[in-house]
Amino acid sequence: DAKTTQPTSMDCAEGRAANLPCNHSTISGNEYVYWYRQIHSQGPQYIIHGLKNNETNEMASLIITEDRKSSTLILPHATLRDTAVYYCIVRVEGTASKLTFGTGTRLQVTL
Amino acid sequence: GAVVSQHPSWVICKSGTSVKIECRSLDFQATTMFWYRQFPKQSLMLMATSNEGSKATYEQGVEKDKFLINHASLTLSTLTVTSAHPEDSSFYICSARLAGGGHNEQFFGPGTRLTVL
Repeated sequence: DAKTTQPTSMDCAEGRAANLPCNHSTISGNEYVYWYRQIHSQGPQYIIHGLKNNETNEMASLIITEDRKSSTLILPHATLRDTAVYYCIVRVEGTASKLTFGTGTRLQVTL
Repeated sequence: GAVVSQHPSWVICKSGTSVKIECRSLDFQATTMFWYRQFPKQSLMLMATSNEGSKATYEQGVEKDKFLINHASLTLSTLTVTSAHPEDSSFYICSARLAGGGHNEQFFGPGTRLTVL
């Protein structure tokens, strides 16, 4: 699976949009981009995934560049409860279903 | 959504004892479960992949005789840390893959914090 690079940490004011970038320059054509988050002392939570089109759900939006070498997770109106470590993972969708977690981005939402 | 539970949520034990952690898929069947370990301020590291009715597949560097995994049913996998030592103190997290599920088919449990004295 392709390696991803994320900033170590980011801050965001409550109510503002949080934009979390991820670089995956070696992504293959059949690899999807997944985002999970982990609130302190809890298990990871699935947020969103995509292949090449932008995706949106009730939690977030995922913007993938045309060359697919990077993506951005957008939390449109961050709240204090969104404070967590956000992991960007790329993997081939298949029976193995392994998730390889990198170091992620620690997002701190402040008042 | 699909729910995965872990028991216990935390455990403290003496060095040399064995500890069993349970991972259950509450409202779905899981043909595959995964066990992760997370040390403080570090990321999750996959320890092993557990398939119902067969032997678990361990990641490189994980001792299979120390971390015993049993996946006897489609809703239960157990991880036993044998002869635990202080360096085994960690946050253990399981995930379960929904049989025939879609892309977000892997659901995580809340984790078990193990402290070995």
